Amino acid sequence: AQKVTQAQTEISVVEKEDVTLDCVYETRDTTYYLFWYKQPPSGELVFLIRRNSFDEQNEISGRYSWNFQKSTSSFNFTITASQVVDSAVYFCALRSGGNTGKLIFGQGTTLQVKP
Amino acid sequence: NAGVMQNPRHLVRRRGQEARLRCSPMKGHSHVYWYRQLPEEGLKFMVYLQKENIIDESGMPKERFSAEFPKEGPSILRIQQVVRGDSAAYFCASSPLGQGRDEQYFGPGTRLTVT
Repeated sequence: AQKVTQAQTEISVVEKEDVTLDCVYETRDTTYYLFWYKQPPSGELVFLIRRNSFDEQNEISGRYSWNFQKSTSSFNFTITASQVVDSAVYFCALRSGGNTGKLIFGQGTTLQVKP
Repeated sequence: NAGVMQNPRHLVRRRGQEARLRCSPMKGHSHVYWYRQLPEEGLKFMVYLQKENIIDESGMPKERFSAEFPKEGPSILRIQQVVRGDSAAYFCASSPLGQGRDEQYFGPGTRLTVT
């Protein structure tokens, strides 16, 4: 079975704090892909990152960084020096390497950044 | 390059009516995915289509729901005889390659309200 768990339902921080959103996944496939999406209050889904199962190199993009660890089946997302505009629901998603394009989403983490 | 377009953005239907949701993928993308976001729930996969073909419909309810992606024109998600439980946000995504090899870009969603 494939599953994505985002244990943190809601997180509230004050602007400029660092915050880490956790994502734990389950899959029996050896080839799979992991994603993070952002859903701001306006409702659209914004693609943030894709990571392949065979590439464990961490990635940094501006204030965003991602830590992929196969040993613990985790793909955590850190926002450094958070800003009010970061307030959104963040979804972690998993897709197997098969022919299906199905994304399996976690329940999402609502991040509120207060000024 | 225009993103994924969905229309209408908001749709109100009475119980028993039909709902038609349209999705135009990004230019150059021939793979389309539909997801549903029910209130208080995460995003759930419904169906994956290529031009004129349904690749994976494992997430589609067995009755009243259908999807198509014709050779010409947008992809259509059709819900017949809507019920209150169909009220949700329906998101369409597209990708250029499909088969789990690339990221999916989402449209702004259609918010369906059944009264």
